[in-house]
Amino acid sequence: GQQVMQIPQYQHVQEGEDFTTYCNSSTTLSNIQWYKQRPGGHPVFLIQLVKSGEVKKQKRLTFQFGEAKKNSSLHITATQTTDVGTYFCADSFYGGATNKLIFGTGTLLAVQP
Amino acid sequence: KAGVTQTPRYLIKTRGQQVTLSCSPISGHRSVSWYQQTPGQGLQFLFEYFSETQRNKGNFPGRFSGRQFSNSRSEMNVSTLELGDSALYLCASGTGVGSIYGYTFGSGTRLTVV
Repeated sequence: GQQVMQIPQYQHVQEGEDFTTYCNSSTTLSNIQWYKQRPGGHPVFLIQLVKSGEVKKQKRLTFQFGEAKKNSSLHITATQTTDVGTYFCADSFYGGATNKLIFGTGTLLAVQP
Repeated sequence: KAGVTQTPRYLIKTRGQQVTLSCSPISGHRSVSWYQQTPGQGLQFLFEYFSETQRNKGNFPGRFSGRQFSNSRSEMNVSTLELGDSALYLCASGTGVGSIYGYTFGSGTRLTVV
């Protein structure tokens, strides 16, 4: 079945440094959604990308969808301690009898003040 | 508006028992999905209900089942519990027809099987 891998699994940065997580799928992605899960919390929706090559920004976060729709990335500029958590990408299927998310393996971000 | 409510928050059960978890989605949302989260397997899709019908099911044994009521509230049931069923069970509320707003997750039920 489909596998969605994220690298790195874990990253530790100093506050103010940049951070990037990469999401790679073994098959073509339908739509890509990104979620953030704080320690002890639940996934919180960040954004959805739909089109090949799409780039979206949310303040310090930049999301990109690959041209071939097989990968995506999330870049955080100048990390803050509030960015701590696990970032998941998810292939999002909509339509007909199939509505589900196939989650990536996640990247745990630790930010040292 | 109110978020997604999952009950109970924590549960400890013994092997062989069964358990029922509950999820109340956001008002107006007709889709409820269930996910299992473990350190080893990550977040895995269990099933999705829309308007009281199961539309899709993940790769889990038949011990895992669910249902949805006319008010969109959903329950999932796990019978004959095994130690490996210990996990955080999350439900996700959605419109069911695709949305740029994604899914809204509940806080989850932490199930421990001893």
